[in-house]
Amino acid sequence: AQSVTQLGSHVSVSEGALVLLRCNYSSSVPPYLFWYVQYPNQGLQLLLKYTSAATLVKGINGFEAEFKKSETSFHLTKPSAHMSDAAEYFCAVRLTGGGNKLTFGTGTQLKVEL
Amino acid sequence: DGGITQSPKYLFRKEGQNVTLSCEQNLNHDAMYWYRQDPGQGLRLIYYSQIVNDFQKGDIAEGYSVSREKKESFPLTVTSAQKNPTAFYLCATRVGQTNYGYTFGSGTRLTVV
Repeated sequence: AQSVTQLGSHVSVSEGALVLLRCNYSSSVPPYLFWYVQYPNQGLQLLLKYTSAATLVKGINGFEAEFKKSETSFHLTKPSAHMSDAAEYFCAVRLTGGGNKLTFGTGTQLKVEL
Repeated sequence: DGGITQSPKYLFRKEGQNVTLSCEQNLNHDAMYWYRQDPGQGLRLIYYSQIVNDFQKGDIAEGYSVSREKKESFPLTVTSAQKNPTAFYLCATRVGQTNYGYTFGSGTRLTVV
């Protein structure tokens, strides 16, 4: 069964530093992978998605993610953190079978410090 | 503007009461989903519906019920059988059979008092 694992429930970076949020997937078939961001008491917003067209995916707000099949990873990065990036980030994989359901990781809370 | 409206934003329920959370969309999306979010557990699927008058259980359907009488609406009822209903509930939609991910509503925070 497909699943995703997010390493690190909390990540703290300084403003201007590199952001790296880790996501590993488990899938027996080529996966469709997503990153979402959630601000407090709000819904989730799609940052970017991988659907096999290109291994390096660029998203909104300067984020990007690279699909690495050999490492079964889809880590999210941003070269320079901004205070407004503080939020919770979720990795998700589309499940095969009916319903086009997504299964989500447990989330990573990103803190950006001055 | 097209979007998903979840209401109310905050809801308080006494133990033993049923409550219904509203989810309305004007995106003309076919599929709709209900997720429950608890701290440290991510999102867990409660129910989903791919077409009108049809819905399927997700991973944690016990104590919940839904209906899909109109394409625009997918209300979720939290029944008294749900033993721990305090959580943040999120409704989402998906357009057709593409892989564009989901569009989410802004959520309803339910608290049992």
